[in-house]
Amino acid sequence: QVTLRESGPALVKPTQTLTLTCTFSGFSLSTSGMCVSWIRQPPGKALEWLALIDWDDDKYYSTSLKTRLTISKDTSKNQVVLTMTNMDPVDTATYYCARIQGGYGDPFDYWGQGTLVTVSS
Amino acid sequence: NFMLTQPHSVSESPGKTVTISCTRSSGSIASNYVQWYQQRPGSAPTTVIYEDNQRPSGVPDRFSGSIDSSSNSASLTISGLKTEDEADYYCQSYDSSNYVFGTGTKVTVL
Repeated sequence: QVTLRESGPALVKPTQTLTLTCTFSGFSLSTSGMCVSWIRQPPGKALEWLALIDWDDDKYYSTSLKTRLTISKDTSKNQVVLTMTNMDPVDTATYYCARIQGGYGDPFDYWGQGTLVTVSS
Repeated sequence: NFMLTQPHSVSESPGKTVTISCTRSSGSIASNYVQWYQQRPGSAPTTVIYEDNQRPSGVPDRFSGSIDSSSNSASLTISGLKTEDEADYYCQSYDSSNYVFGTGTKVTVL
C-alpha cells in the first residue's frame, strides 16, 4: 500500500525559508523509475508543479521558481525534503507530494493529503 | 515554458455529456502525453486519464480522453454525467524540464 504524507510548519514569516518533508511508504526511491514530486495549490487556484527527484538523484525544478527551490532525498528514511527560500505571502498554498512510477514524464499516481502553509507576519 | 488553457467552468445535467478542452500554447500537444486529474473539494487530485486516453483501473469508462493536433488541444469527455462527477479537473503535460498543469475547469452537475 503506497502512502505519502507531507509535514512542515503551518505558518512561516515573509523572507523565511520553508522546509517540507514528504514521508512515504509502500515503495523505495532507490527502485528504477521511482520519483517523488512536489506540487502546490494556492487557495481557490490551480495546481502548480514545483520540483521532482528521481531514483538516480536527478532533480528537476520549475523554471519560474528554480532559484528558490532545493529538493533532496534520504532513501534510508523514505523521505524527500523540499526547501523554498525567501517566502512571500503569495506562496501561501497547500503543498502536496506525489509519486511517479515510470521516470520523468510519467503521471502522478499517488498523492499525499497535502499540508497548508500560510505566509504571514 | 508552455501553458495549458482550460475553460473556467462547464455545467450540465445528470446523464448528459460534457467535454473539457485543454489547449497547449506552444509546442505540439502530441509531443508529450497528457494526463487528467479530478479534484473534489478538500481532497488531493486523482488520475482519471493518463497517456492521452488511458483509464486507470477503477475509473469508469464514462471518462475518455483524446488529443487533436489540428487545434493543439486535448479533451476530457465525461458521458452519463453523475452528481459524483462534480469536481475540478486539471490537464497536465510536460516538456524536457517542466511539468505543466492546466488552468483547471470546474464541472457542475445541475
